[in-house]
Amino acid sequence: QVQLQESGPGLVKPSETLSLTCTVSGGSISSYYWSWIRQPPGKGLEWIGYIYNSGSTNYNPSLKSRVTISVDTSKNRFSLKLSSVTAADTAVYYCARSTVTMIQGVINRYYSYYMDVWGKGTTVTVSS
Amino acid sequence: QSVLTQPPSVSAAPGQKVTISCSGSSSNIGNNYVSWYQQLPGTAPKLLIFDNNKRPSGIPDRFSGSKSGTSATLGITGLQTGDEADYYCGTWDSSLSADVVFGGGTKLTVL
Repeated sequence: QVQLQESGPGLVKPSETLSLTCTVSGGSISSYYWSWIRQPPGKGLEWIGYIYNSGSTNYNPSLKSRVTISVDTSKNRFSLKLSSVTAADTAVYYCARSTVTMIQGVINRYYSYYMDVWGKGTTVTVSS
Repeated sequence: QSVLTQPPSVSAAPGQKVTISCSGSSSNIGNNYVSWYQQLPGTAPKLLIFDNNKRPSGIPDRFSGSKSGTSATLGITGLQTGDEADYYCGTWDSSLSADVVFGGGTKLTVL
């Protein structure tokens, strides 16, 4: 079955750029959306953003100015870059396979978003 | 401060039933589908419920989801000690906030 594995430095200095990669095995990165989520110590989940295999992206507005998510379909992996990090960016970072569906109703649009396969997570500490 | 509101904790005895609520607004739960995740201690979240009430393959029917208006509920019957975990609701948000929002999480204790 599909498995995801995060990789990257566990320690990043303040003001530098956090870079993580998520490698997808057991399935193709084509189709599906691919998300990054983080969880600060002792706190809840925060959505960072997602990418589709076409390269289209959607980011959390609170992080948008610092976030870049990219995909490398030839290597079946996608990546996260978060610039100008501070101690507030210390967290466990998860990558996940996501399904995003838009249903057009008579008047409104309805969205379904869920993450059905998760990586184990990688801890990133921001400290000098 | 999470966009979706969950109780910080719930508890019940083994074999009993528990419900976890998730309250939002018309921009999120009211007009979009809800998913639920279980996070066992020290592990990654796991999808329990999607599209309000659907269970992925392999999730026992002890877990159920429902939605009414701007609130959603996760139900767990036949509680087991292995169900002790944090539970998160999530959904799409059509307002100017993040497109994807979560509740703050609920710690389930099986007494």
